[in-house]
Amino acid sequence: QVQLQQSGPGLVKPSDTLSLICSVSGGATTTSIYYWGWVRQPPGKGLEWIGSIYYSGTTHYNPSLKSRVTISVDTSKNELSVRLRSVTAADTAVYYCARGDNILTGYFQWGQGTQVTVSS
Amino acid sequence: QSALTQPPSASGSRGQSVTISCTGTSSDVGGYNYVSWYQQHPGKAPKLIISEVNKRPSGVPDRFSGSKSGNTASLTVSGLQAEDEADYHCSSYAGSNNVIFGGGTKLTVL
Repeated sequence: QVQLQQSGPGLVKPSDTLSLICSVSGGATTTSIYYWGWVRQPPGKGLEWIGSIYYSGTTHYNPSLKSRVTISVDTSKNELSVRLRSVTAADTAVYYCARGDNILTGYFQWGQGTQVTVSS
Repeated sequence: QSALTQPPSASGSRGQSVTISCTGTSSDVGGYNYVSWYQQHPGKAPKLIISEVNKRPSGVPDRFSGSKSGNTASLTVSGLQAEDEADYHCSSYAGSNNVIFGGGTKLTVL
């Protein structure tokens, strides 16, 4: 059973960089296959796609966040990460990592979510 | 890009059916048969319940069904049960390696 366990700070200062990790465990060759992504949910609002990465390293980003976000995968550690630079209060949200087959068919497995608050 | 449009709320009595709409454009919902639906209970992560407009992942009850007409996709929940009370989110492939979500719909089971 593949499990996704998220970690990272819950409080980030304005203008700093938000960094989260999603540790993938269970099953053979976990991060080396599938399609991995990050999705966020501001308080009381809907979901917002941040971006995704294929096991090959190819990344796709939400155009509205592309200039500030980097998603990467470390297959040796079975870790997925996201970095969002120059954060503001508008980036306050619950952040989720997720797993899918490709960019087309949705994410069939999700991490537990990490509440990140941007505040001084 | 704009989020897909969903009604903020929907409701139905136990045993009845309810349909939730998800309206986009010809560049997303209308242009591709890649609409997904997620169920999210309070404080929990979303769960994929419909993929590719009308495909149910393994383990999802057949009370959940999806369809699409033009630029609008729909999720129908039949035989409403108490545990169906949740938020429902649609998403669509939007071309150029981009994905967009809707604003979410809160379903209340009366």
